[in-house]
Amino acid sequence: DQQVKQNSPSLSVQEGRISILNCDYTNSMFDYFLWYKKYPAEGPTFLISISSIKDKNEDGRFTVFLNKSAKHLSLHIVPSQPGDSAVYFCAASAEGSNYKLTFGKGTLLTVNP
Amino acid sequence: NAGVMQNPRHLVRRRGQEARLRCSPMKGHSHVYWYRQLPEEGLKFMVYLQKENIIDESGMPKERFSAEFPKEGPSILRIQQVVRGDSAAYFCATKTGSESGELFFGEGSRLTVL
Repeated sequence: DQQVKQNSPSLSVQEGRISILNCDYTNSMFDYFLWYKKYPAEGPTFLISISSIKDKNEDGRFTVFLNKSAKHLSLHIVPSQPGDSAVYFCAASAEGSNYKLTFGKGTLLTVNP
Repeated sequence: NAGVMQNPRHLVRRRGQEARLRCSPMKGHSHVYWYRQLPEEGLKFMVYLQKENIIDESGMPKERFSAEFPKEGPSILRIQQVVRGDSAAYFCATKTGSESGELFFGEGSRLTVL
């Protein structure tokens, strides 16, 4: 049973445009959500996070939106750059879970020059 | 994440052999997590350790897999009698003991079982 779902295996956007990556979750106990970025043959790198008490968190070109009623979050990257091309993983954890993260399968973002 | 050191980066084993994967946390990090990524999948939690203690091993297969984080030295994930299905990337992640600390991942160890 996949508790964190990223339904788009891949996404392709033009440089300078907005990239929107989506993530849905089923476990209502999740209260902390993260996005990780991963290049081939490297480990995931933390990008941005959001607590369930917020609905938006912004860091430079990256913004994460959380819709708790829909159990949905999204990562917006604007403007997109070729260096953003990577696999993006959505992850979630529940309070009291020892910071154990549940990951989605990832979305491969390709930003074309 | 460059501070979390994993070795070997690549490991090839034949069925039935043992695999040992090592993880040295970032300086000041006392919490270690092991994750496994199978092909075309996301990362799956395996085990969470603090020095000399296994805190949560709910993601570990019941047989052949074990983990330790001794008082001195790296954390070790040990897989006995490997099978082809064990072929995966194994990632270690570490954090400080604080509630708000981020998880920092190593570059992973890629195990191939022939």
